[in-house]
Amino acid sequence: DAKTTQPTSMDCAEGRAANLPCNHSTISGNEYVYWYRQIHSQGPQYIIHGLKNNETNEMASLIITEDRKSSTLILPHATLRDTAVYYCIVPRGEEAGNMLTFGGGTRLMVKP
Amino acid sequence: NAGVMQNPRHLVRRRGQEARLRCSPMKGHSHVYWYRQLPEEGLKFMVYLQKENIIDESGMPKERFSAEFPKEGPSILRIQQVVRGDSAAYFCASSPSTSTDTQYFGPGTRLTVL
Repeated sequence: DAKTTQPTSMDCAEGRAANLPCNHSTISGNEYVYWYRQIHSQGPQYIIHGLKNNETNEMASLIITEDRKSSTLILPHATLRDTAVYYCIVPRGEEAGNMLTFGGGTRLMVKP
Repeated sequence: NAGVMQNPRHLVRRRGQEARLRCSPMKGHSHVYWYRQLPEEGLKFMVYLQKENIIDESGMPKERFSAEFPKEGPSILRIQQVVRGDSAAYFCASSPSTSTDTQYFGPGTRLTVL
């Protein structure tokens, strides 16, 4: 399964865009990139996922490089409630049950 | 459409007792996953079930832990003879009919073993 690498922590000013990077250099052609976040001790919250095209929804945008070896999650106008641990995950695939492997994630602190 | 439901939200057990954690997937979802989060650690996969079948239990401890997802009713994660090291948050996730679909998580059950 593809391993992901994320910075341990990041700060962002309230109202500014938060750009969270993720490296997944061993990703294979049919593997998706998923982003989840965990606010305090709540259940992980699904944010967005993509294969090779950039994606946008009401929560965030996902930019995937052309070689698919890295991606960036963008929260366009971060609020204090976006303070959380953000996980970039490449699931193991259908033959492996698609279970999610959570690494350390990036601890995003949004500051006033 | 209600999300993934888990109960109880908090469970306190004494060493040696049994813990039963329940998970009701989202409507229309037939795949259930259980994950465990020890204090100050990340989530770790435990078991993947479909209705009446355990598909992958590679992350589940070999002893004292079992899981089921019956044809009717919620999925159950059962821990027998709990020990202090079982204290953790247990999260359930569900996905629709194909295992490649997005998993949606419940709020978790926080188990404390005294």
